[in-house]
Amino acid sequence: ELKVEQNPLFLSMQEGKNYTIYCNYSTTSDRLYWYRQDPGKSLESLFVLLSNGAVKQEGRLMASLDTKARLSTLHITAAVHDLSATYFCASAPNRDDKIIFGKGTRLHILP
Amino acid sequence: DGGITQSPKYLFRKEGQNVTLSCEQNLNHDAMYWYRQDPGQGLRLIYYSQIVNDFQKGDIAEGYSVSREKKESFPLTVTSAQKNPTAFYLCASSIFWNTEAFFGQGTRLTVV
Repeated sequence: ELKVEQNPLFLSMQEGKNYTIYCNYSTTSDRLYWYRQDPGKSLESLFVLLSNGAVKQEGRLMASLDTKARLSTLHITAAVHDLSATYFCASAPNRDDKIIFGKGTRLHILP
Repeated sequence: DGGITQSPKYLFRKEGQNVTLSCEQNLNHDAMYWYRQDPGQGLRLIYYSQIVNDFQKGDIAEGYSVSREKKESFPLTVTSAQKNPTAFYLCASSIFWNTEAFFGQGTRLTVV
């Protein structure tokens, strides 16, 4: 069964710094999703990555997918406090199997 | 506005009581899902429905039941058989099974 692991699970960083969250998955997959969750709130869809080498950017966040390495990254550029949240990645082995979520990376950006 | 509406936002349940969480979507999505989230944890799938009048158990279905009589509605009942129901419950929908999911605002259930 597909396993999705995020690293790190908790990250505290200073404003203005760059950092990367990693998402590894254990079997081949044809889709990777990134979500954001603010404390006590629901999940908001950030990125959908559907092919090897896919890269998507929104503001200070950039997500990429390497299907050969079974790895997706979420890169934060010049972090600002508003990006403090928990970020989840999720994947499914194929179109027929259910989506599996990682445990989430709790990001705390210090002003 | 199109979206997914969950109600209530907060719910308190007494021991031995069944409660029903509402989830409605007006996005014309075929698939709907129920997830449970415990503090500091990821999401665990309770039930899912790929299409109206059909639903399947997820990873932690024991103590829960659902129905999908209408495309836009997917209510979740937490029965007295669920021994540890205190959690944050999230409903989601997607245009088709296993495509990008959109989430409701969640229901926080507490046993008192």
